[in-house]
Amino acid sequence: GEDVEQSLFLSVREGDSSVINCTYTDSSSTYLYWYKQEPGAGLQLLTYIFSNMDMKQDQRLTVLLNKKDKHLSLRIADTQTGDSAIYFCAESFDTGFQKLVFGTGTRLLVSP
Amino acid sequence: GAGVSQSPRYKVTKRGQDVALRCDPISGHVSLYWYRQALGQGPEFLTYFNYEAQQDKSGLPNDRFSAERPEGSISTLTIQRTEQRDSAMYRCASSSPFGSGNTGELFFGEGSRLTVL
Repeated sequence: GEDVEQSLFLSVREGDSSVINCTYTDSSSTYLYWYKQEPGAGLQLLTYIFSNMDMKQDQRLTVLLNKKDKHLSLRIADTQTGDSAIYFCAESFDTGFQKLVFGTGTRLLVSP
Repeated sequence: GAGVSQSPRYKVTKRGQDVALRCDPISGHVSLYWYRQALGQGPEFLTYFNYEAQQDKSGLPNDRFSAERPEGSISTLTIQRTEQRDSAMYRCASSSPFGSGNTGELFFGEGSRLTVL
């Protein structure tokens, strides 16, 4: 079955790096995603990685994928107060459409 | 429109009443999805359309829930005889299909928060 788990909460100081972790159970996923949810707003896609990749870097964001351990992480360099939000990892499968399975979300709090 | 628009943003209703939630996707997006997000949880898939055709409704919890997209644009999610456990944020998303450089990224609306008393 599909199950995606995340730690609930992470607190960092401005300027530090943040690492948000995600584990999943279904190894047949094709894409894995990180979405950001700010208060009162919809979910916004931050970045994604294809399942045959190990790493993807996109400006301050680095995604690492360990397929053997079914572990996905998002590293945010030089974290800013504006990065405070809930971060969701999600996976999709080879069904030809975006039926995503989301994790429970990690609330990131960045203090000045 | 510029983004996915949902209405109403907030809906409070009494148990047993029917509610209809509306989604206006990004213009030209073929696919439209409904997700439900309980407090403190991630979104959970409900159903999905390509154009006007409902492709998958496996996530609808029971037969009180239905959705339509009659002209392949605006969609309505209807919940009949609402129950307190239906209280949640209902999110709509739209996308262009994979291919031609598209990743099939979902663009989410701000959601409709339903409270059933």
